[in-house]
Amino acid sequence: SQTIHQWPATLVQPVGSPLSLECTVEGTSNPNLYWYRQAAGRGLQLLFYSVGIGQISSEVPQNLSASRPQDRQFILSSKKLLLSDSGFYLCAWSRIGGGTDTQYFGPGTRLTVL
Amino acid sequence: GENVEQHPSTLSVQEGDSAVIKCTYSDSASNYFPWYKQELGKRPQLIIDIRSNVGEKKDQRIAVTLNKTAKHFSLHITETQPEDSAVYFCAANGGNEKLTFGTGTRLTIIP
Repeated sequence: SQTIHQWPATLVQPVGSPLSLECTVEGTSNPNLYWYRQAAGRGLQLLFYSVGIGQISSEVPQNLSASRPQDRQFILSSKKLLLSDSGFYLCAWSRIGGGTDTQYFGPGTRLTVL
Repeated sequence: GENVEQHPSTLSVQEGDSAVIKCTYSDSASNYFPWYKQELGKRPQLIIDIRSNVGEKKDQRIAVTLNKTAKHFSLHITETQPEDSAVYFCAANGGNEKLTFGTGTRLTIIP
């Protein structure tokens, strides 16, 4: 069966510090991978998605970036965090092709920027 | 791109009664419509989904209906229980690999 991991689970960072969040998927090959952000009490905002190694699509212009160095690894980064970057960051995966396959979410990383 | 509107934003229902949450979408290319349930502090979990080749799908107390002509779909929960209390999100795929989510409905079941 497939499993998706995210770490760290929680993170408190000062404004202006760098960020690296990691997501890995087990039990499947060539997944689509997604990064979402959820502000407190709000909906799910798609930040990036990837259909293959090195292929990243950005949905919202911001100070975040994403990379996919391996088939089942997705990394979210920032060089300098802003207060507005606080939120619940969720990674998700789905099978490639057609867009009609379910997205499965990881456990999330709760980021607080102070 | 796709735009999804979800109503109501909050819903309180007596235990045992039914709850209905409605979503509309804008892109006629959308052909996949999942519903997620998110409990406080947890990840969203898929509870039911529907594809555009069917009009209704049911799984025990949960059902989803789809009207492609009107571009709306609804979640129906019958015989509600306290554990149904959560935030529910609808989504549509815009005919591609992405999902656009509604803004969520906070459902509270009153014992």
